[in-house]
Amino acid sequence: AQSVTQPDIHITVSEGASLELRCNYSYGATPYLFWYVQSPGQGLQLLLKYFSGDTLVQGIKGFEAEFKRSQSSFNLRKPSVHWSDAAEYFCAVGPSGNTPLVFGKGTRLSVIA
Amino acid sequence: GAVVSQHPSRVICKSGTSVKIECRSLDFQATTMFWYRQFPKKSLMLMATSNEGSKATYEQGVEKDKFLINHASLTLSTLTVTSAHPEDSSFYICSASGGTIGEAFFGQGTRLTVV
Repeated sequence: AQSVTQPDIHITVSEGASLELRCNYSYGATPYLFWYVQSPGQGLQLLLKYFSGDTLVQGIKGFEAEFKRSQSSFNLRKPSVHWSDAAEYFCAVGPSGNTPLVFGKGTRLSVIA
Repeated sequence: GAVVSQHPSRVICKSGTSVKIECRSLDFQATTMFWYRQFPKKSLMLMATSNEGSKATYEQGVEKDKFLINHASLTLSTLTVTSAHPEDSSFYICSASGGTIGEAFFGQGTRLTVV
């Protein structure tokens, strides 16, 4: 069965510091991988996705993620965090882009001055 | 990307009443729509998958008689929460995919509060 693990429930970083949010997945084949961001009371915004090809994926808002098959990981990174990045981040996996996704439990990011 | 519109964004209803949530694909034909539920401070859980013109497929543990899903057209799917109870209060999100689009796009979500 597919599963997604986001080991960090809550992370606090200083504004301007770098960020890495971890995501590990369990899936039998090469999955479709996604990172979404959710602000309080809002819907999901797609940050980036990986289907195939280059394992380093660039997304919106300066985010990037790297697919590492050997580690079953798809960690999200940003070199310099802004206060507006404070939100909940979800990693998700699916067998294709058109199928339902399995989501991780989310990582809440807090940004301090 | 493609646009999926979900309405209403917020709804408050009384216990025992029914409430309908709409999910529309605005610029593509959605052959498949997915309905998720998000409990407070929790992740999203798939409730059901609906294909246009077919009965929805519900995930284990989801009451199909309580959560009625209709996908009568290629641009509209509806979720009706029947005889709502306070424990049905939650955030409901739809996503839609179809045609040559290789991914599903999410609506803005609906915050349901049952009082």
